Amino acid sequence: EAQVTQNPRYLITVTGKKLTVTCSQNMNHEYMSWYRQDPGLGLRQIYYSMNVEVTDKGDVPEGYKVSRKEKRNFPLILESPSPNQTSLYFCATQGGFYNEQFFGPGTRLTVL
Amino acid sequence: GENVEQHPSTLSVQEGDSAVIKCTYSDSASNYFPWYKQELGKRPQLIIDIRSNVGEKKDQRIAVTLNKTAKHFSLHITETQPEDSAVYFCAAFSGNTGKLIFGQGTTLQVKP
Repeated sequence: EAQVTQNPRYLITVTGKKLTVTCSQNMNHEYMSWYRQDPGLGLRQIYYSMNVEVTDKGDVPEGYKVSRKEKRNFPLILESPSPNQTSLYFCATQGGFYNEQFFGPGTRLTVL
Repeated sequence: GENVEQHPSTLSVQEGDSAVIKCTYSDSASNYFPWYKQELGKRPQLIIDIRSNVGEKKDQRIAVTLNKTAKHFSLHITETQPEDSAVYFCAAFSGNTGKLIFGQGTTLQVKP
């Protein structure tokens, strides 16, 4: 079954404690993205990757890091989380530029 | 920077009526325009998309129109049903940058 998985699904943490949200896809897609969703602001792209070892900043990259060492995985790293990073995070994958994006189930992060 | 404006933010219609959601984009290089539906507590899912070389596309009760000159595209849902109630997002993708920019979302409520 084609799928995008994220872990953890829910996380409550404290300011400054480094965390990683994993994203994995089994669709052999080259394009992967991370978004955050906040009420009234829609989905905002954090980082995207068009291929292994290629990553680019989206609209709201500050405070986040990513890596793409292999095609199937695209982890999101918060080195020093702050309360303004409390949000719902989605990973997504896309088979080509003009194809559907498939979203993961989401990770709800709360930073105290 | 690039942005996508979406209106209205909320829309309430009676079952059987039509619903129209409008979006305007700023990046002239945008050439792919998907629409996503997000039901409560779920991930966004593609419902229809259109490329820049097409002015209109229809899929059963859903249609999308694109006016590249005005940088404007719209979603039309006819004969609305209660299960159409959800948040709808428009998006604009730039083949030059690889960025996908989402609108702020429209909450559609269809009253039985």
